Amino acid sequence: EPEVTQTPSHQVTQMGQEVILRCVPISNHLYFYWYRQILGQKVEFLVSFYNNEISEKSEIFDDQFSVERPDGSNFTLKIRSTKLEDSAMYFCASSTGTGASGANVLTFGAGSRLTVL
Amino acid sequence: DAKTTQPNSMESNEEEPVHLPCNHSTISGTDYIHWYRQLPSQGPEYVIHGLTSNVNNRMASLAIAEDRKSSTLILHRATLRDAAVYYCIPRFGNEKLTFGTGTRLTIIP
Repeated sequence: EPEVTQTPSHQVTQMGQEVILRCVPISNHLYFYWYRQILGQKVEFLVSFYNNEISEKSEIFDDQFSVERPDGSNFTLKIRSTKLEDSAMYFCASSTGTGASGANVLTFGAGSRLTVL
Repeated sequence: DAKTTQPNSMESNEEEPVHLPCNHSTISGTDYIHWYRQLPSQGPEYVIHGLTSNVNNRMASLAIAEDRKSSTLILHRATLRDAAVYYCIPRFGNEKLTFGTGTRLTIIP
C-alpha cells in the first residue's frame, strides 16, 4: 500500500536553529498538508499546499514557517528559528484531490518528532 | 467548520462490537463525514467516510442518521489493535481536516 514517508523520525535541535522536516507524499497525490501535535494535545492543522502554492494556513503558521515542494517529489516544512514551543510531532499528509472532493481521504505519514532544547 | 461532539472515552471488551457515536448537528449538506483514528505514537489513519448512505469497508461500518446530524462508527469485533483515539470529522471539498479531541477507545482483554 502506498505510504507517506517522513524524515527524520526524530530531530533534536537548539533553540534558534533552523530545522527542515521532509516528506515524500504518495506519487499521484495533488494536495499536501502539514499538521503538528504537541504531546498530549490535539492534532493541529498548519498548512495545505496545492498547485505549488499555499491554499490555506492556520494562525500557527507564522513567518517562522515555510513550505516548499522543491523537486516534484519532496514536500518540506522549514522552521527558521525554532522556539521551545515548537517541540511537537509533525505529520505530513497527502490526498489525491480528484473525484468527489469531499470524499478524498488523507494519508498521513508516521511523523517527525522535533525536540527543541 | 461543522462542530462535532464525541464522548471523551469508551471501553469495550475484546471481540465484541463497538459503537462510537458522533454528533455533527451543524453539518452542511455537502460535507462528507470522515472517521480517522490515531493509534498510540502513530499518525492519524483513515478509517471510513460517507455522505448519506451507510458504508462498509474492511475496517468498519459507518451508520449515518437520516438527517445527517449524527453518525456511528461500528467496529464489528474489536481487537486490542483497535485501541486508539477515534475522530469524527465533517469535511467539505479539499479543505483541511479539523481534528477535535475524539473518543479514546480502550479495549479490555
